[in-house]
Amino acid sequence: EAAVTQSPRNKVTVTGGNVTLSCRQTNSHNYMYWYRQDTGHGLRLIHYSYGAGNLQIGDVPDGYKATRTTQEDFFLLLELASPSQTSLYFCASRDRDWDTEVFFGKGTRLTVV
Amino acid sequence: GDSVTQKQGQVTLSEDDFLFINCTYSTTTYPTLLWYVQYLGQGPQLLLKVTTANNKGISRGFEATYDKGTTSFHLQKASVQESDSAVYFCALAPRNNYAQGLTFGLGTRVSVFP
Repeated sequence: EAAVTQSPRNKVTVTGGNVTLSCRQTNSHNYMYWYRQDTGHGLRLIHYSYGAGNLQIGDVPDGYKATRTTQEDFFLLLELASPSQTSLYFCASRDRDWDTEVFFGKGTRLTVV
Repeated sequence: GDSVTQKQGQVTLSEDDFLFINCTYSTTTYPTLLWYVQYLGQGPQLLLKVTTANNKGISRGFEATYDKGTTSFHLQKASVQESDSAVYFCALAPRNNYAQGLTFGLGTRVSVFP
């Protein structure tokens, strides 16, 4: 089974702070995704990537940057964190064919105080 | 754009009860439909998927039928156990823009008590 590892698992930062969430997948999947999960909103797509160096905008990108440095590594950057970004963040990966399963990491809980 | 609707935010049951979670979808494509389950402290994981209309997906006692006529993909299980307590997400994967991944419903929290 595909392995998607997120770090850190928990993070507390102050308003205006700089945060980087990391994700690594070990199955050479082409596609990687960042979602946020909030009560009442379900899972919402922030950014995604086709491969190293590629970045695509998702449905809720404001306030977030992302970078895909290698096939394995996908980072989510919050350069001026705000309390509205307090959330549970999930990274996910998927192979290239249209019908393949999306595999999720265990999540990073971010609190902005 | 694509959307998935789950109207039930929470369902509370006793063991051996019947579970039914409503899911409807809207899309201009011919999607794959999926159910994901998220246990406490974990990421969502695939429960079942159906790629073809009028087919049924079955996994771990859960089943869902892809009904293109009513644009529905309801999840059911005949007899739930406490271990089925989790959040269940209905999702859609479009075939014309599959790179973008899944569109999820809001999720239904299922609590099963002994």
